[in-house]
Amino acid sequence: EAGVAQSPRYKIIEKRQSVAFWCNPISGHATLYWYQQILGQGPKLLIQFQNNGVVDDSQLPKDRFSAERLKGVDSTLKIQPAKLEDSAVYLCASSLIPGGQFFGPGTRLTVL
Amino acid sequence: KNEVEQSPQNLTAQEGEFITINCSYSVGISALHWLQQHPGGGIVSLFMLSSGKKKHGRLIATINIQEKHSSLHITASHPRDSAVYICAGYGGATNKLIFGTGTLLAVQP
Repeated sequence: EAGVAQSPRYKIIEKRQSVAFWCNPISGHATLYWYQQILGQGPKLLIQFQNNGVVDDSQLPKDRFSAERLKGVDSTLKIQPAKLEDSAVYLCASSLIPGGQFFGPGTRLTVL
Repeated sequence: KNEVEQSPQNLTAQEGEFITINCSYSVGISALHWLQQHPGGGIVSLFMLSSGKKKHGRLIATINIQEKHSSLHITASHPRDSAVYICAGYGGATNKLIFGTGTLLAVQP
């Protein structure tokens, strides 16, 4: 079974630029999560989708971050404009059953 | 106090040693994950437990629901086991994954 796919794996941008990350969940997984993991900290949930609807985006900085999951499959997470403090690993995860999350390899973002 | 606590925070072992990482939680959970993260890398799910014990290769995970405690054991440790190991409980009041602080394991040859 293919795992959660993410791209790109690495991205370096300058502050105030825009960036987008892509996630393809495991086939059939209705729930998709985006996490932000700052170096030395645990992952922080940014947004949770159930199919193409948002379940929880309470910790998403909506002034600069946006996410969508068209057709309830792939998802994109965008940052516009990026700040230095956005440097982190962005993890996508998907689940079929509550609690059973599988994580992707992550995208490491460096904002200069 | 974190809802999910791990110990130790840092662990250095010699190749071949038996390793134990502990996780205690203070909230009600329906499942507990053990995750592995290599430096700069994504997270790999090792186990998801709701009771008892699971084994995969040299890795063993146990959970005691009554004591709200789980352990991850690595037998015959190898330098490639060096990584951060994270336990995460699913459930609590929010039905989200609650992550522990992680254990940084370094296995020296």
